[in-house]
Formats: sequence, C-alpha cells, structure tokens
Amino acid sequence: EIVLTQSPTTMAASPGEKVTLNCLASSSVSYMNWYQQKSGASPKLWIYGTSNLASGVPNRFSGSGSGTSYSLTISSMEAEDVATYYCLQLSSYPYTFGAGTKLELK
Amino acid sequence: EVQLVESGGGLVQPGASLKLSCVASGFTFSDYWMSWVRQTPGKTMEWIGDIKYDGSYTNYAPSLKNRFTISRDNAKSTLYLQMSNVRSEDTATYYCTRDYYSSYPDYWGQGVMVTVSS
Repeated sequence: EIVLTQSPTTMAASPGEKVTLNCLASSSVSYMNWYQQKSGASPKLWIYGTSNLASGVPNRFSGSGSGTSYSLTISSMEAEDVATYYCLQLSSYPYTFGAGTKLELK
Repeated sequence: EVQLVESGGGLVQPGASLKLSCVASGFTFSDYWMSWVRQTPGKTMEWIGDIKYDGSYTNYAPSLKNRFTISRDNAKSTLYLQMSNVRSEDTATYYCTRDYYSSYPDYWGQGVMVTVSS
C-alpha cells in the first residue's frame, strides 16, 4: 500500500501570501489528485493528473510534481481558500489518501 | 447536473449488517465506474472500493474486503454498499463517488453517517 504523507498538517497564511502544500508518496506514483474540503461539506475535485485544474478552480492554484513528491501551490492566498486539502493516488490499489493539510487564514 | 444521494445510514450495533444506497442522476450511470470512500470523525479519508460500469469487476481495500461488498443496479442508477459485522471503527461518513472513466473521483455525494455503537 502506498502511504501519502502531507505536510504541513496545518498552516495559516495571510491574504496575498504564496502557499505550498506537499504530498510525499512512499513509492513512485504516476500522478496525483487533490481535493478541497470545506467545513461541513463534501470533498471537491480540485486538481487532477498532477497539474490539471478542475472546472471552476481559480488559476491562482497550480499543481506539480513527479515520482514521489507532489505539491499544490496557491500563488496568492484568499479567504475563500480556507479548507482542508487532501491528496489521492490512483496509481496502485488500494487507492490511498493523505491525511490532509488544513489551511487557515492568518 | 450530476447528483449523488446516499441513504441508509444511522446508528447500528456492533456485529450487525447495514446496506447503504446511492442514487445517481444527471449522467448515464451505466457508463461510469463508481466508488465508496469514507471519512472518520477524525477526518481520515479511506478508499473502500470501486465497481466497474457494468458491475462485472470490483476492487476493495484489503482491510475491508471480507466484510464490505459493493454492487450496483444500472436499471435503477443506484450504487450499494453492503456492510457486515460492523465494528466501532466503521463509524464514519460514507460517500459515493463517480469516477472519471475508471480514474479519479470527480463528483461526490453529500455523504451519509454511520455510527456503530451499542
């Protein structure tokens, strides 16, 4: 089973600040997917295939990475970005999620 | 508009069985793989398993394979999760998801809570 380790666990960013969330895989994966979950809501697809933004996702978000190291970057933090972000690997069964990064506003 | 509506959750005693349903609308259900994912009260996300669009193939998380069964009825556009011999650690919110052509989940239901307690 591939273990995904997300860092940091929690972080606070100021409006306009650049934010980078990380996801480290215990074995190489072909690509990474990211989900945004706001409090009390279901997860939403945010980034698929490592770097493709889902429909409606602002272009201040980007995704990158390869092999065992992936990241989600927000170029300029906004209040609406407050949420928990989870990475998900689909390269091998069983599919696995990271523990999530909770992003707060400073 | 894609909609996934789960039902069947609630309070259940340890050792009992429970069947969750997920009614899909807004897309051709029989064209898509579907999955179940659960989220514990501590917010840990766990993939449970998936099922091929025609119901002929399923995959499961090894830790759940012996107790959980995924099935579907394409005529009713409904996905099912049969849970047996439930344990306290099965307490979670259960989501059904549509999988984009056997790939990443692209739509999630609103979730249904299952609480296992005596």
